[in-house]
Amino acid sequence: KAGVTQTPRYLIKTRGQQVTLSCSPISGHRSVSWYQQTPGQGLQFLFEYFSETQRNKGNFPGRFSGRQFSNSRSEMNVSTLELGDSALYLCASAVSTQREGKQYFGPGTRLTVT
Amino acid sequence: KNEVEQSPQNLTAQEGEFITINCSYSVGISALHWLQQHPGGGIVSLFMLSSGKKKHGRLIATINIQEKHSSLHITASHPRDSAVYICAVSGADGLTFGKGTHLIIQP
Repeated sequence: KAGVTQTPRYLIKTRGQQVTLSCSPISGHRSVSWYQQTPGQGLQFLFEYFSETQRNKGNFPGRFSGRQFSNSRSEMNVSTLELGDSALYLCASAVSTQREGKQYFGPGTRLTVT
Repeated sequence: KNEVEQSPQNLTAQEGEFITINCSYSVGISALHWLQQHPGGGIVSLFMLSSGKKKHGRLIATINIQEKHSSLHITASHPRDSAVYICAVSGADGLTFGKGTHLIIQP
């Protein structure tokens, strides 16, 4: 089976712009979770989608949003980018929910905001 | 909000040594994950456990729900085990992560 894929792998944006990141889960997985990793804060949970519904959301501002499509692919969007949004964004998929299933991580998208 | 503490933060050991990494959390959880991250960012899930003990090759993970504590052990450590090991707990607020343990195994 193919693993979790994320596109693009690298991205450079300017402050104030918006960005959309994409995640394709392992075939058959219905849960997709998104995480932000920075040197200062480490890994932080953004949100989880299961069967097109947002199940849980971390403590991030409303500029961070996401959605999941009927084929389980997911996108996350960050609007009005700030310098502090520079990070590695990881998605992970699971057969069942995040609370019940082992997480399979993608390679990440490295976002740089200038 | 769950607080996840890992120790040690950094660990350097010689090849062949027995390694232990500890994780403590503050609030009851549904499951605990041990993750491995190599330079470059890729994360691999090593274990997901909610009770007892799991073993995979040279890796062993244990959890004590009453004491809110988990350990990851590596037997006969090898330089390829060098990585950051991250503990994460699954609760009502999603996954909460520890800061990670940076492990270096010297030949």
